[in-house]
Amino acid sequence: DTEVTQTPKHLVMGMTNKKSLKCEQHMGHRAMYWYKQKAKKPPELMFVYSYEKLSINESVPSRFSPECPNSSLLNLHLHALQPEDSALYLCASSQPPGQGAGELFFGEGSRLTVL
Amino acid sequence: AQKITQTQPGMFVQEKEAVTLDCTYDTSDPSYGLFWYKQPSSGEMIFLIYQGSYDQQNATEGRYSLNFQKARKSANLVISASQLGDSAMYFCAMREWGYSGGGADGLTFGKGTHLIIQP
Repeated sequence: DTEVTQTPKHLVMGMTNKKSLKCEQHMGHRAMYWYKQKAKKPPELMFVYSYEKLSINESVPSRFSPECPNSSLLNLHLHALQPEDSALYLCASSQPPGQGAGELFFGEGSRLTVL
Repeated sequence: AQKITQTQPGMFVQEKEAVTLDCTYDTSDPSYGLFWYKQPSSGEMIFLIYQGSYDQQNATEGRYSLNFQKARKSANLVISASQLGDSAMYFCAMREWGYSGGGADGLTFGKGTHLIIQP
């Protein structure tokens, strides 16, 4: 079983909806990430939350907004999405650089379809 | 410039044969980690193996080994005695501890290799 839990696993939403993707980890990691993955493409980094500091990929549109209520939760709020935002959204956690091997532990992903 | 290059979009391999998946990387950061992940059709990213830039020996994890040639900036994955369950996408990725180029912390992925094991 993965130690990074993502909900929901599948989400279908209209372009006017507001929804959220949730991610939780219980490994005591201090860094969490959201990646977007289109079909047959590699994951692309959207946001990093590390030591209470948020880093944003500048190419990510503002209709995606991350929220970190505490060190084990990282939500992704979705508003006014476009059909091209349909993708697999992967959450991951890790120790920050310099602590351990540094591998990212991924959740099973949330598959989003925007109609 | 691409930081991670995987030149094999797809590979077909007979069951029980060994397979090598190629990966080259580019960084000016002296401290970095190289990772291989497996992604089955279900979508989950499964960590396979890690190699640190200062590690002297090649990493091994069960049937997986990493052929690390630092001077050539290559980090090829070798899977011995392939099994049908090895069929999946395989991604090579890098994490730069100093975030060279001003990027954020996280993994940068190559485009992946789609490996199909045939009986």
